[in-house]
Amino acid sequence: NAGVTQTPKFQVLKTGQSMTLQCAQDMNHEYMSWYRQDPGMGLRLIHYSVGAGITDQGEVPNGYNVSRSTTEDFPLRLLSAAPSQTSVYFCASRWEARGVKGYTFGSGTRLTVV
Amino acid sequence: DAKTTQPPSMDCAEGRAANLPCNHSTISGNEYVYWYRQIHSQGPQYIIHGLKNNETNEMASLIITEDRKSSTLILPHATLRDTAVYYCIVRSGGSQGNLIFGKGTKLSVKP
Repeated sequence: NAGVTQTPKFQVLKTGQSMTLQCAQDMNHEYMSWYRQDPGMGLRLIHYSVGAGITDQGEVPNGYNVSRSTTEDFPLRLLSAAPSQTSVYFCASRWEARGVKGYTFGSGTRLTVV
Repeated sequence: DAKTTQPPSMDCAEGRAANLPCNHSTISGNEYVYWYRQIHSQGPQYIIHGLKNNETNEMASLIITEDRKSSTLILPHATLRDTAVYYCIVRSGGSQGNLIFGKGTKLSVKP
């Protein structure tokens, strides 16, 4: 298993540009989510999905769109990038074992908006 | 999910045991204690979880007090690669809710 794969690892955008952060998992996990992490802070939930065709908002959804057309992929779209969206973005999928749920995270995408 | 309290930072000498405390005084009976860590610039990594009994795996041990109001994550022989932010999270095992991270404890392992 490759686990959770995020691309790209680094990206620089100009204000107003749009882009899509890719996230893929090969573990057949139904639940996937996107977090952002700003310097010195914990992770904040942006959007999540409990299965293909179902998405919902997290704590900080503004400026981001998601879709979930397959179990494997959960892309995050920035519609019109702003400097406030400079952050490190992590994608995660959720596993379950013996009634307990845990999370597997990708290695992150470091985004700078200038 | 119950609130947790962790010290913001700790130091540990390489090769010694690192003991990271977590208070969760409002934990309810069906809530588990989870530990994750985040090594610099990487995604968080699951370490261990427990309900009532002490737990051990290849990464760490988890000691939960009898009243379950606090717990300690133990890294028995800390290495420099264990330098990371450690997050203690309390939530019900079957929770469909999203994982919420606090600020964690920054563990610095020193030579």
